[in-house]
Amino acid sequence: DAGVTQSPTHLIKTRGQQVTLRCSPKSGHDTVSWYQQALGQGPQFIFQYYEEEERQRGNFPDRFSGHQFPNYSSELNVNALLLGDSALYLCASKQVGMETQYFGPGTRLLVL
Amino acid sequence: LAKTTQPISMDSYEGQEVNITCSHNNIATNDYITWYQQFPSQGPRFIIQGYKTKVTNEVASLFIPADRKSSTLSLPRVSLSDTAVYYCLVGRGGGFKTIFGAGTRLFVKA
Repeated sequence: DAGVTQSPTHLIKTRGQQVTLRCSPKSGHDTVSWYQQALGQGPQFIFQYYEEEERQRGNFPDRFSGHQFPNYSSELNVNALLLGDSALYLCASKQVGMETQYFGPGTRLLVL
Repeated sequence: LAKTTQPISMDSYEGQEVNITCSHNNIATNDYITWYQQFPSQGPRFIIQGYKTKVTNEVASLFIPADRKSSTLSLPRVSLSDTAVYYCLVGRGGGFKTIFGAGTRLFVKA
């Protein structure tokens, strides 16, 4: 049973560019959440998708957007990258109505 | 929003039992308590989850008193590979109401 997968594992971008990160949820899961984790800090919630719609959003600007596809996979898009966007981006999935989220390995984004 | 307080760091030796306590004074009635383990540059790994009393699985135990204002993660006989950051979360179903704190950095020594 495959767990949550994310791609790419690492990414280097320059300020002002745009980036797309991808996530495939654990088998049987239909809800996907994205988190940003800066070095030395705990993950911060960006948003959550269910039934292809954004259901909840954390305190992140509109430069951060997402999408969920019919197969439950998801993308995180970040526009106009800033140096401060450098972080580990985590995807977590769960089954609606269940309480446990499972995290993927993350994508390390470096903005130069 | 339920906020958690954990010790910043803890040291232990191989073979010892480690107990990490988390305070969550404003836990809501329907909130669950979840613990994750995280190694550097990896995603958090689910350890255990509970609502009340005691929960045990193959890797840990979770003790929750009747008032649910705190919880204790118990790791039996830790090894060097248990050196990691441990996060206590309180909430329901992930999302913006489930907040990660700074976590507890556990360092296991030989």
